[in-house]
Amino acid sequence: EAEVAQSPRYKITEKSQAVAFWCDPISGHATLYWYRQILGQGPELLVQFQDESVVDDSQLPKDRFSAERLKGVDSTLKIQPAELGDSAMYLCASSSSGPKNEQYFGPGTRLTVT
Amino acid sequence: GDSVTQMEGPVTLSEEAFLTINCTYTATGYPSLFWYVQYPGEGLQLLLKATKADDKGSNKGFEATYRKETTSFHLEKGSVQVSDSAVYFCALSGAYKLIFGTGTRLQVFP
Repeated sequence: EAEVAQSPRYKITEKSQAVAFWCDPISGHATLYWYRQILGQGPELLVQFQDESVVDDSQLPKDRFSAERLKGVDSTLKIQPAELGDSAMYLCASSSSGPKNEQYFGPGTRLTVT
Repeated sequence: GDSVTQMEGPVTLSEEAFLTINCTYTATGYPSLFWYVQYPGEGLQLLLKATKADDKGSNKGFEATYRKETTSFHLEKGSVQVSDSAVYFCALSGAYKLIFGTGTRLQVFP
C-alpha cells in the first residue's frame, strides 16, 4: 500500500540553528499539506500545495518558515532560525484532489529545539 | 469560522466496554466529517468518514453518524480492545482545508 514518506523521524537541534524536513507524498497526489502538531493538541495546517503552487500559507510564520514543492512532487519545509517554541511534531499529508477527499498522513518528524 | 469540539480525555475503559467519544462541529456549508486515530509516535490514520447528513461511516468496529440537526459526529464502538488505546481526532473539511479537534486519548485496560 502506498504511503507518505517523511524524514527524518526525529530531529534535535539547538535554538537559532536551521532545520529542514522532507516529505514524499503518495504517487499521483496533487495536493500536499504540512501540519504542525503541538503536544496534546490537534494538527494545524501550516501550508497547502496544489501541484507546485501554494494554495494556503496563512498560518505559516514566514519570517522563519519556508516551504517548497519545486516539481510538484516531494516537498521541503525549512525553519531558520529555530526557536524553542517550534518543538512539535511536523506532519505531512497528501490527497488526490483537495480536502474533501481523504488525506493520508506520513509518520511525522518530531522536532526538539534545545 | 469553522471549528470542531471534542470531549476531553483521557477516556479510561476496561476491555470489552462500550465506547463513545463526543464530537460536535460548527461549519458553514456542508462539510465532510472524519475520525482519525493516532498511535503513540505515529502519524494520523483515517479511521472513518461521512460526506453528507445521515451517512454512517464505519471501520474496524467503529461507527459514527453524521447528524446535521445536532451538528454531531460521535464515535462509538461496542466492545473496545487494549489495542484501541490511542488518541482519536474528529475533523471536518472546510472550504479548502481540514480542521481538527484537540483529540481525545483513549486508554483501555485488560
